[in-house]
Amino acid sequence: QKEVEQNSGPLSVPEGAIASLNCTYSDRGSQSFFWYRQYSGKSPELIMSIYSNGDKEDGRFTAQLNKASQYVSLLIRDSQPSDSATYLCAVTSFTGGGADGLTFGKGTHLIIQP
Amino acid sequence: NAGVMQNPRHLVRRRGQEARLRCSPMKGHSHVYWYRQLPEEGLKFMVYLQKENIIDESGMPKERFSAEFPKEGPSILRIQQVVRGDSAAYFCASSPAGTREKLFFGSGTQLSVL
Repeated sequence: QKEVEQNSGPLSVPEGAIASLNCTYSDRGSQSFFWYRQYSGKSPELIMSIYSNGDKEDGRFTAQLNKASQYVSLLIRDSQPSDSATYLCAVTSFTGGGADGLTFGKGTHLIIQP
Repeated sequence: NAGVMQNPRHLVRRRGQEARLRCSPMKGHSHVYWYRQLPEEGLKFMVYLQKENIIDESGMPKERFSAEFPKEGPSILRIQQVVRGDSAAYFCASSPAGTREKLFFGSGTQLSVL
């Protein structure tokens, strides 16, 4: 059973600070990692993808992957109130033969305090 | 350039009735996924379909639930004899041919069973 674990929060961060969101996964065969943002009552929106160890930066967002530790994180710099949302970590692996879908964590509720 | 279209947005059913949820993928996308999200829970994979084929239904309950993606028309998730525990948000997502990773989600259908 593949599992993706996230701290549910809420994680409260002052405006302008760095928000750090963490995620661990159980399947060592996992190959692709994603962060989705979901505003309350809305659909998930893909904001970052990462496939290899290290950091990947896109604007104010940085995804970090450490496959040896089975750990992926999302950093949000210069946090804005509009970043307040639930952030879902998603992991996929293709072990052959099947059509494995994304496995999602339960999400971390982030609150940016003005 | 319409995104993933789901309807209805809200659906109310009494116990024992049938629920039909519809999803039209993004233009050019040939893969459709259905996910269920319960309050305070993560997105749970239900089924993955391509046109006229169910590729992976490992997340579907064995009874009362079925899905199809006909050659023409939207994908349909059908729940027969609904029970209160079926109340949830049901999200459809699609991806382009050749990738099962980057999903684009519809706005979801909120099913309420009275």
